[in-house]
Amino acid sequence: GQQLNQSPQSMFIQEGEDVSMNCTSSSIFNTWLWYKQDPGEGPVLLIALYKAGELTSNGRLTAQFGITRKDSFLNISASIPSDVGIYFCAGYDSGNTGKLIFGQGTTLQVKP
Amino acid sequence: GAVVSQHPSWVICKSGTSVKIECRSLDFQATTMFWYRQFPKQSLMLMATSNEGSKATYEQGVEKDKFLINHASLTLSTLTVTSAHPEDSSFYICSAQASGKNIQYFGAGTRLSVL
Repeated sequence: GQQLNQSPQSMFIQEGEDVSMNCTSSSIFNTWLWYKQDPGEGPVLLIALYKAGELTSNGRLTAQFGITRKDSFLNISASIPSDVGIYFCAGYDSGNTGKLIFGQGTTLQVKP
Repeated sequence: GAVVSQHPSWVICKSGTSVKIECRSLDFQATTMFWYRQFPKQSLMLMATSNEGSKATYEQGVEKDKFLINHASLTLSTLTVTSAHPEDSSFYICSAQASGKNIQYFGAGTRLSVL
């Protein structure tokens, strides 16, 4: 099935550094969602985006809905050890199948 | 708000037995619930979509007689893995979506181990 291209696949950074990850699609999306998944847990919603160009923050996290509606990015500023986990982008495409389409995930490791 | 409770979080069963997993939306009405399966180091794979009061819609390759889904109320959906075998061992996650909302809230997942 359709899948979002999420990059990078993994990141290993120093505590305090900023992080950026992104997702792209070949088709237009009308909703972008960013989730974080800790080991052995379900994904937790971080940010939801509904309009092209929308820029939304949640604490140290900032995400944007791309103008073309085919991409989105997530930034984490001043990373801390508890930011460790897998980050997934997900979205609903304009075809409105009702199914959430996921990226492959970005595994983030933070060195104290 | 938007809390989804999934139970049990971990289950071990013998091959051939059936296992039921519950998914509840605690503070909103979930007209649609979804069941996913996740393999190690992979993204979530949709198994089926269930609308309250209707039969579930299964994704291609998912056996409906193997994975029985019931969505009898706006706050509860269940997944029953029937006659479980070791290859059914996996991490199963449910999600819930309110009517008209383009957003899914996930449960904490259930780790199933079939011996």
